[in-house]
Amino acid sequence: QVQLVESGGGVVQPGGSLRLSCAASGFTFSSYGMHWVRQAPGKGLEWVAFIRYDGSNKYYADSVKGRFTISRDNSKNTLYLQMNSLRAEDTAVYYCAKLSCSGGSCYDNWFDPWGQGTLVTVSS
Amino acid sequence: SYELTQPLSVSVALGQTARITCGGNNIGSKNVHWYQQKPGQAPVLVIYRDSNRPSGIPERFSGSNSGNTATLTISRAQAGDEADYYCQVWDSSTNWVFGGGTKLTVL
Repeated sequence: QVQLVESGGGVVQPGGSLRLSCAASGFTFSSYGMHWVRQAPGKGLEWVAFIRYDGSNKYYADSVKGRFTISRDNSKNTLYLQMNSLRAEDTAVYYCAKLSCSGGSCYDNWFDPWGQGTLVTVSS
Repeated sequence: SYELTQPLSVSVALGQTARITCGGNNIGSKNVHWYQQKPGQAPVLVIYRDSNRPSGIPERFSGSNSGNTATLTISRAQAGDEADYYCQVWDSSTNWVFGGGTKLTVL
């Protein structure tokens, strides 16, 4: 079955960096766009970043643009999120999620499934 | 930027019908998706493209979308339906957007 497993979360000081990973299995990873979505404690869902199936296009929320970088290694079936210049407001559970359609521009499709999430805490 | 507005909370009596709204400018022209999130768990898709149910989601869950409002309807509400519900769309200028979420309480 389709499975997404995030890792790499932890506690980091303000201004620090962290790299999250999302290991995918059960589907042809190289055919699907992938998202990162986060959820601050007690808050709602916030979309963070998206990468096309082939890595050719990347999109970011304004709140993370210039600080976060999404990437993927299709040979390893793994999605990444490099987070730099971290701030207290980046504290959240970070989920990876698969775009439901394969191939090109179907951006208005849904997120399914989601990983279990990894917690990032930015604190001194 | 495109915004989605949801009520913070909705209450429903056991066995009755709950309706959760999602407001947005001309949202009827967009594909709306709904997710259920229970405490400590990842979100799960319950409705896609306005009114379609994924396999494994009970028929009690349905959706509609017209004008400036999309609606998730849960019929014959059960205690197990208590959760946070989020609507989501894609907008060409804002990219992917989630509503603020609605906490459903089954009384």
